[in-house]
Amino acid sequence: DQQVKQNSPSLSVQEGRISILNCDYTNSMFDYFLWYKKYPAEGPTFLISISSIKDKNEDGRFTVFLNKSAKHLSLHIVPSQPGDSAVYFCAASAGSSNFGNEKLTFGTGTRLTIIP
Amino acid sequence: DSGVTQTPKHLITATGQRVTLRCSPRSGDLSVYWYQQSLDQGLQFLIQYYNGEERAKGNILERFSAQQFPDLHSELNLSSLELGDSALYFCASTSTGGNYGYTFGSGTRLTVV
Repeated sequence: DQQVKQNSPSLSVQEGRISILNCDYTNSMFDYFLWYKKYPAEGPTFLISISSIKDKNEDGRFTVFLNKSAKHLSLHIVPSQPGDSAVYFCAASAGSSNFGNEKLTFGTGTRLTIIP
Repeated sequence: DSGVTQTPKHLITATGQRVTLRCSPRSGDLSVYWYQQSLDQGLQFLIQYYNGEERAKGNILERFSAQQFPDLHSELNLSSLELGDSALYFCASTSTGGNYGYTFGSGTRLTVV
């Protein structure tokens, strides 16, 4: 049972344009959401997160939007740069008050390619 | 360098064999998590240890086991290996009580032939 779904395996975007990566979840207990970025031959690295009490969180070029009623979140990257080409994983956790000791449930990832 | 060290980086072994993957967490982190990434799959949670004790278990096969030692490093043991066990195995660590997420190691790529 895939509780976190990333339905687009790949996405290509022109440099300078906006990249939008989507993620859906089914578990209503999830209350903390994260995006990770992964380059080949490296482990995933944390990018940005959002708590369920918010609907938006920004960090520089990266913004995550959360729509709890739709159980949907998205990551916006603007402007997109060639260095953003990577695999992006959406992840979710239940029990954010004890986050340091909670497992994350990951989606299958979206491969983003930025075209120069 | 993320601070989480995984060894070896690559491992090729035959079916039926047993291997041990090692993870040294980031300094000060007490929680260690093991994840498996098979081809075209997301990261599947296997098991979590916190300060030497098993804290949570995911879809870990009975042929797999793990432990966390007093110095906080962890080992994942995979036995009676099958072709389907070929995957990337990631270790991640966190500190206690609130964090921006895990810090992952660079993974061990296991190939079973």
